[in-house]
Amino acid sequence: GAVVSQHPSWVICKSGTSVKIECRSLDFQATTMFWYRQFPKQSLMLMATSNEGSKATYEQGVEKDKFLINHASLTLSTLTVTSAHPEDSSFYICSAGTMGEQYFGPGTRLTVT
Amino acid sequence: AQSVTQLDSQVPVFEEAPVELRCNYSSSVSVYLFWYVQYPNQGLQLLLKYLSGSTLVKGINGFEAEFNKSQTSFHLRKPSVHISDTAEYFCAFYYNQGGKLIFGQGTELSVKP
Repeated sequence: GAVVSQHPSWVICKSGTSVKIECRSLDFQATTMFWYRQFPKQSLMLMATSNEGSKATYEQGVEKDKFLINHASLTLSTLTVTSAHPEDSSFYICSAGTMGEQYFGPGTRLTVT
Repeated sequence: AQSVTQLDSQVPVFEEAPVELRCNYSSSVSVYLFWYVQYPNQGLQLLLKYLSGSTLVKGINGFEAEFNKSQTSFHLRKPSVHISDTAEYFCAFYYNQGGKLIFGQGTELSVKP
């Protein structure tokens, strides 16, 4: 089956710094990737849709200047959390696929101290 | 508005007992339906999907779901659960006009010995 990887799986950073999370489709090309945020005991919240070679589409309420998304190739999308604050601590998950059949990465646990 | 409702936030059940996790959706257009499972600190894994055809869909790990268009439901069932089935389960749908997955709130299945 299709595999999506994320790196890192776990990161701690200091408040005010930026952190980059990578999402890769390992055995297929992904024109579109999705970035989600998940708080403990809650569902996934779609943050943005990442399109290869074009600007990402952000969901309402998501700060595009804070959560920078780059989809530079058909196998790689990155999410950069800029000037991170403790409230940005969360579990970030990416996915890729078509027609709703999404393959999810293992997630990245971000802790901002 | 498009939405998914998982009627039970927590379902405790004893090992080898049957289980049903309920999911209802609201949509004015045709949808594709999915069930995903999430183990702690991991991404989501596709259990099964309904795209068209037979309304009874069989998935991995012995799970099955039935699409009921008149009741707008897609309940997940397993005749005999195992301890290893303990996880969070998410119902979701996709519709072409939206271009993204809409998730339910999740149901925590807890299988006890």
